[in-house]
Amino acid sequence: EPEVTQTPSHQVTQMGQEVILRCVPISNHLYFYWYRQILGQKVEFLVSFYNNEISEKSEIFDDQFSVERPDGSNFTLKIRSTKLEDSAMYFCASSEAEVWGYTFGSGTRLTVV
Amino acid sequence: AQTVTQSQPEMSVQEAETVTLSCTYDTSESDYYLFWYKQPPSRQMILVIRQEAYKQQNATENRFSVNFQKAAKSFSLKISDSQLGDAAMYFCATERDDKIIFGKGTRLHILP
Repeated sequence: EPEVTQTPSHQVTQMGQEVILRCVPISNHLYFYWYRQILGQKVEFLVSFYNNEISEKSEIFDDQFSVERPDGSNFTLKIRSTKLEDSAMYFCASSEAEVWGYTFGSGTRLTVV
Repeated sequence: AQTVTQSQPEMSVQEAETVTLSCTYDTSESDYYLFWYKQPPSRQMILVIRQEAYKQQNATENRFSVNFQKAAKSFSLKISDSQLGDAAMYFCATERDDKIIFGKGTRLHILP
């Protein structure tokens, strides 16, 4: 069954450093998303991406965050200057159509120290 | 605004028994979609079942079924013949306007 692949599975970074979280969505999917889950809390929407542009973003997705689809297969989330509170599980998801429900990746656990 | 409420933070069920997880939601839309996602200890998010609000028939997927009450805005998940592998966090979610809104989750324990 097709999968959404995320790398790395775990990343530790120093506060203030930039991180790039990578995702390879399912190949025929058109809609891409990033979500995050702070430990013990609910899954929160960050951003959706369609047709090479952001279609919606949450309040969490401030100027420190950016997304890119650099080569038609990868979908990246960049955090420019990480803060301790950015420590969370970050999930990438993709869907073929808006209403089918997403396929999530396995997540990247980001630890900011 | 849409909200999703899961009133049971934790539940336990004996193996092979049936358990129902509750979910209510709030939306002003008439056409929307509802989901249950499972998050096992690996923390991956796995789609369990999907319901389209305009369909009156309750969705089923093997041992998983839903009780969708549109007027009451209720969307409960029933797991029959519970198995040890069902132990996980379960998130109810609704989708509208290009994003999914999740509830806070219910942690399900399976007792052998």
